[in-house]
Amino acid sequence: SQELEQSPQSLIVQEGKNLTINCTSSKTLYGLYWYKQKYGEGLIFLMMLQKGGEEKSHEKITAKLDEKKQQSSLHITASQPSHAGIYLCGAYRRDSNYQLIWGAGTKLIIKP
Amino acid sequence: DSGVTQTPKHLITATGQRVTLRCSPRSGDLSVYWYQQSLDQGLQFLIQYYNGEERAKGNILERFSAQQFPDLHSELNLSSLELGDSALYFCASSVDTLGGRARETQYFGPGTRLLVL
Repeated sequence: SQELEQSPQSLIVQEGKNLTINCTSSKTLYGLYWYKQKYGEGLIFLMMLQKGGEEKSHEKITAKLDEKKQQSSLHITASQPSHAGIYLCGAYRRDSNYQLIWGAGTKLIIKP
Repeated sequence: DSGVTQTPKHLITATGQRVTLRCSPRSGDLSVYWYQQSLDQGLQFLIQYYNGEERAKGNILERFSAQQFPDLHSELNLSSLELGDSALYFCASSVDTLGGRARETQYFGPGTRLLVL
């Protein structure tokens, strides 16, 4: 099982609609990273969150880290076909020996 | 483009064979990480090298080994290949200002897709 729980596993959204992907840990996180992966390609770094309550935005993608630093959400506003892909969260935890632990990924499909 | 390069892009080989995957980190990055991604296991950390030395090991099989050279490029050697080794293999790099103990952003290469027949 993955050490970070991502939900949903997959998502089909009508173009133009908003969506949210969640990433949850049972323990405090020291740095939460969001990456995007096109099928069969490398992971593209999107954003990093470190402080509880922190929120960052890039174009139409906003990511937040909750105050307890155990959950992050990725929100896409007015989705476009270019947003399609797999979104993975990765995080450092005190017990992860300075290595990133990963969620299983959320597969996002945008319907035209 | 992350600045991390990996060769080859694709590799098809037979069971029992040995292959070498190559990675060049971003300019200035001292840490290199190797990951395996398969459909059933997701992204699995294999091993980290920092400035030529092994820093951390993850779920790396004994049949697999890696090294980082003085010019900081890294190679992952996979031997006695089995069908289950078919996967995407990623290399990532980070600046790592704390001797391999920094929690920093990792930048990924495009991956090598390995198919073992």
